[in-house]
Amino acid sequence: QQQVKQSPQSLIVQKGGISIINCAYENTAFDYFPWYQQFPGKGPALLIAIRPDVSEKKEGRFTISFNKSAKQFSLHIMDSQPGDSATYFCAASKSGGGADGLTFGKGTHLIIQP
Amino acid sequence: GAVVSQHPSRVICKSGTSVKIECRSLDFQATTMFWYRQFPKKSLMLMATSNEGSKATYEQGVEKDKFLINHASLTLSTLTVTSAHPEDSSFYICSPSTGVEQFFGPGTRLTVL
Repeated sequence: QQQVKQSPQSLIVQKGGISIINCAYENTAFDYFPWYQQFPGKGPALLIAIRPDVSEKKEGRFTISFNKSAKQFSLHIMDSQPGDSATYFCAASKSGGGADGLTFGKGTHLIIQP
Repeated sequence: GAVVSQHPSRVICKSGTSVKIECRSLDFQATTMFWYRQFPKKSLMLMATSNEGSKATYEQGVEKDKFLINHASLTLSTLTVTSAHPEDSSFYICSPSTGVEQFFGPGTRLTVL
């Protein structure tokens, strides 16, 4: 049973456009929702994370939107750049993100075309 | 801050041999260590969780006698893949946690011939 569903599997966006990746979760005990960026052969790097007490969080060009009632959250990358081309994973965990392991979505392969 | 190292970065071994992977948190103390496995073009899957000085807790389907985890100190954890087989070939990533936030290592690519 996949507890975090991520879509789309792959995404192509023109430079300067907005990249949007969506995730849905099932376990209502989750209380920490991070997004990670991963380049080939490297470990994942935390981009931005949100807790369910807020509906939106913005850091630079990255924004998370969170809908608790729908159990969905999304990542928006504004002004997408070729350097943003990578695989993006949403994740979720209990206990605020430090004491429990993360459940990851299947990933989205993002390509930004120049 | 939050620097994590893994050694080796990649290793190739023969089937039936054992391989040890080290994970160090260089500038913080990790009360909890998570180990993940990632097959090519797939997502990260949690393998096990360990707290310093305690036995590791393994996720369903992960053989505890095959993947030995030692978390002897707050800055060092090791994962030993015993009697490795080709199906164990994967990218292994450690994630030390302060209890508030977890950080990811650069990963170790294991190839079993």
